[in-house]
Amino acid sequence: DAGVIQSPRHEVTEMGQEVTLRCKPISGHDYLFWYRQTMMRGLELLIYFNNNVPIDDSGMPEDRFSAKMPNASFSTLKIQPSEPRDSAVYFCASTTGGYHEQYFGPGTRLTVT
Amino acid sequence: LAKTTQPISMDSYEGQEVNITCSHNNIATNDYITWYQQFPSQGPRFIIQGYKTKVTNEVASLFIPADRKSSTLSLPRVSLSDTAVYYCLVAPPGSNYKLTFGKGTLLTVNP
Repeated sequence: DAGVIQSPRHEVTEMGQEVTLRCKPISGHDYLFWYRQTMMRGLELLIYFNNNVPIDDSGMPEDRFSAKMPNASFSTLKIQPSEPRDSAVYFCASTTGGYHEQYFGPGTRLTVT
Repeated sequence: LAKTTQPISMDSYEGQEVNITCSHNNIATNDYITWYQQFPSQGPRFIIQGYKTKVTNEVASLFIPADRKSSTLSLPRVSLSDTAVYYCLVAPPGSNYKLTFGKGTLLTVNP
């Protein structure tokens, strides 16, 4: 299996622009998670889905962030408009319901200038 | 969720055994203990998980005393490539639950 795939790996954008991050979970996994990692705040869970349905989005920082999962093999995290404080590494992870064994993608490093 | 406490950093040398201890005094009866490893510029990777006593796999061993208020991740004969951040997590079973990663322990293995 190719593992969790994220794109792009790096994104540099200007403040105010829309940013879309993409994730393809491991085939057969029914849980998908979006995390954000910064030096200051560590690794934070933003939102997670089960069978394509958002279960908990309490970690989404504000309305500028939105996430969708139109089907079992694709999810997006969108930031509109982006701000410099959104600069971070965004990880996508998936699992099949096991005891906390989540499989992480390589991450997208986002820089907002 | 049970709060976990682990050292911010540890130093070791190649070939040594490294033990990283995590404190979780308010662990609940049905909580499991899970450890992840994160290399620079990569996502975290699941290492090992346990409920009580000892668990061993090809990567590490996990020791959990009877009161379960702490756990120790043991890495045998570390190499330079084991330099990473190690996270201790405590949560009930089932992936439909938030995992709190905390700051983790930065293990630096020196030549």
